[in-house]
Amino acid sequence: NAGVTQTPKFQVLKTGQSMTLQCAQDMNHNSMYWYRQDPGMGLRLIYYSASEGTTDKGEVPNGYNVSRLNKREFSLRLESAAPSQTSVYFCASTAKVAGVAYEQYFGPGTRLTVT
Amino acid sequence: KNQVEQSPQSLIILEGKNCTLQCNYTVSPFSNLRWYKQDTGRGPVSLTIMTFSENTKSNGRYTATLDADTKQSSLHITASQLSDSASYICVVSAGGTYKYIFGTGTRLKVLA
Repeated sequence: NAGVTQTPKFQVLKTGQSMTLQCAQDMNHNSMYWYRQDPGMGLRLIYYSASEGTTDKGEVPNGYNVSRLNKREFSLRLESAAPSQTSVYFCASTAKVAGVAYEQYFGPGTRLTVT
Repeated sequence: KNQVEQSPQSLIILEGKNCTLQCNYTVSPFSNLRWYKQDTGRGPVSLTIMTFSENTKSNGRYTATLDADTKQSSLHITASQLSDSASYICVVSAGGTYKYIFGTGTRLKVLA
């Protein structure tokens, strides 16, 4: 099992450029998430997908779009990158454990710089 | 406002010593609390998950405690190792599969 994989690992964009961050999980999880992590702040939810075919906004969705292509893949798109989107982006998926709580598994992250 | 606060922000200890990290939260409704370890340049990895009814949970040298009355949790690391150098993040779930509130983390450095 590769777990949660993300591509690319690093990316530099100019303001106004677009790009798509890719995420895939091989654990057959229903729910997937996109977070951003900025210095001095906790991880913040951008979008999540409770199941294939559904997506919902999180705390900071502005400037982003997502696609849940199938059960395995959840992509994050920046249509017109801005310097404020410089961050580390993490994809995660969840599985139910102990019948109650949901365990989150994170990918290795994509470090994005927008100049 | 749902909030998770961690202290200290950073900590330096010598290898072999113990340490305790703190987490205070104001999250409602409370579902569960988890501690993650995040190595530099990597994604967070779960250490423990505790539900409302659990007071203590251990994972090797890591022991987490939860006091749901005072809304406090701690993570105790015993006999620290160099590999424990990382950020430790407290996360509280407000119910459902997506409502996770993340603390800003405690950055721990273990020196030889």
